[in-house]
Amino acid sequence: NAGVTQTPKFQVLKTGQSMTLQCAQDMNHEYMSWYRQDPGMGLRLIHYSVGAGITDQGEVPNGYNVSRSTTEDFPLRLLSAAPSQTSVYFCASNLGVNTEAFFGQGTRLTVV
Amino acid sequence: DAKTTQPPSMDCAEGRAANLPCNHSTISGNEYVYWYRQIHSQGPQYIIHGLKNNETNEMASLIITEDRKSSTLILPHATLRDTAVYYCIVSPFVDNYGQNFVFGPGTRLSVLP
Repeated sequence: NAGVTQTPKFQVLKTGQSMTLQCAQDMNHEYMSWYRQDPGMGLRLIHYSVGAGITDQGEVPNGYNVSRSTTEDFPLRLLSAAPSQTSVYFCASNLGVNTEAFFGQGTRLTVV
Repeated sequence: DAKTTQPPSMDCAEGRAANLPCNHSTISGNEYVYWYRQIHSQGPQYIIHGLKNNETNEMASLIITEDRKSSTLILPHATLRDTAVYYCIVSPFVDNYGQNFVFGPGTRLSVLP
């Protein structure tokens, strides 16, 4: 049981490039979310999904797109990378309300 | 706006109980208190959560005051591996499927040998 798997673990982008951060879970969880964590700070919610075909914005959605075509996968797209998007990105999933969230190991993104 | 207040850092001697406080004075009736920790910038790890009763599991105990305005996470016998940032989170319903977590800066716990 792999839990929540994020790829890649590390990525360097040039300003203006686009890329997709992958997130997959094998626990059949309906709820998935993306967070970013800047140095010395807590996590901030980017986007979340309550099920396949349903997504919504979190606290800091600008510059990011998401889609949820399957229960297992929840990719995060950076449309045109900016240095301000340099951060560690975490994907999470949970079974439902009032249940624990499982987090991936993170993707460390640097935009130069 | 932060819904919880935690001390920025704490020390604890190895083998002793670590008591981590959290203030959530604006908590509302349907909001749970969750605790997570983050070790070495890994993904956050769930510890425990509760509504109004005290809770205990294999990792920790959660003591919530009767007015629910504050809580304490207790690690009964801290080890060096418990050194981490601990997050106290008040989490409302989003819908029937899940809820969003607002992570503040947390408490950096250092367990000392």
